[in-house]
Amino acid sequence: GAGVSQSPSNKVTEKGKDVELRCDPISGHTALYWYRQSLGQGLEFLIYFQGNSAPDKSGLPSDRFSAERTGGSVSTLTIQRTQQEDSAVYLCASSLMGSFSGNTIYFGEGSWLTVV
Amino acid sequence: GENVEQHPSTLSVQEGDSAVIKCTYSDSASNYFPWYKQELGKRPQLIIDIRSNVGEKKDQRIAVTLNKTAKHFSLHITETQPEDSAVYFCAARNQAGTALIFGKGTTLSVSS
Repeated sequence: GAGVSQSPSNKVTEKGKDVELRCDPISGHTALYWYRQSLGQGLEFLIYFQGNSAPDKSGLPSDRFSAERTGGSVSTLTIQRTQQEDSAVYLCASSLMGSFSGNTIYFGEGSWLTVV
Repeated sequence: GENVEQHPSTLSVQEGDSAVIKCTYSDSASNYFPWYKQELGKRPQLIIDIRSNVGEKKDQRIAVTLNKTAKHFSLHITETQPEDSAVYFCAARNQAGTALIFGKGTTLSVSS
């Protein structure tokens, strides 16, 4: 596609429910990233996928958060038993190769999650 | 892990003035330093980047300087315009060499 595509763009869920957020990276990009941006805050790194390598999960805030990437393309971020502090914009990004090579990282429009 | 500090958190300038945003990083192995601009309600977009083998890079009204010894880099915007108003984020590569670690952002307001 033309850019990184994320869905849903907005999600309101009740506390305690599970949510899934989807990311479709730019075609041909091997690296995929998830970031979280709370209201008025910076971009918090969550997880990184590069090709078939083991993902870097060092940024996931708790074991309620998980992500997978199937077939080296689409990724799903899952938040189990959502809490109000999970409310944020979840940004997906992709790059041609990993960031170590200095390839530009392109962001999607984000999924705005509100936990009530 | 990598830590990126960004200052100031807010910056207000008059149209036509210059604006400077500064960042420091902790991992001396970092070699790639991009700057992103995020307009209200929009996605962050790359505006300029610099690699560790150069000390300065310019693109029209924006420039970035890098001091590897001191581990800091700066964004310079000259002749600011109202459309430059946005949140600017600096970033550096993390120690694992995987993702970018971002500063907390600078909200730039340019008044006409």
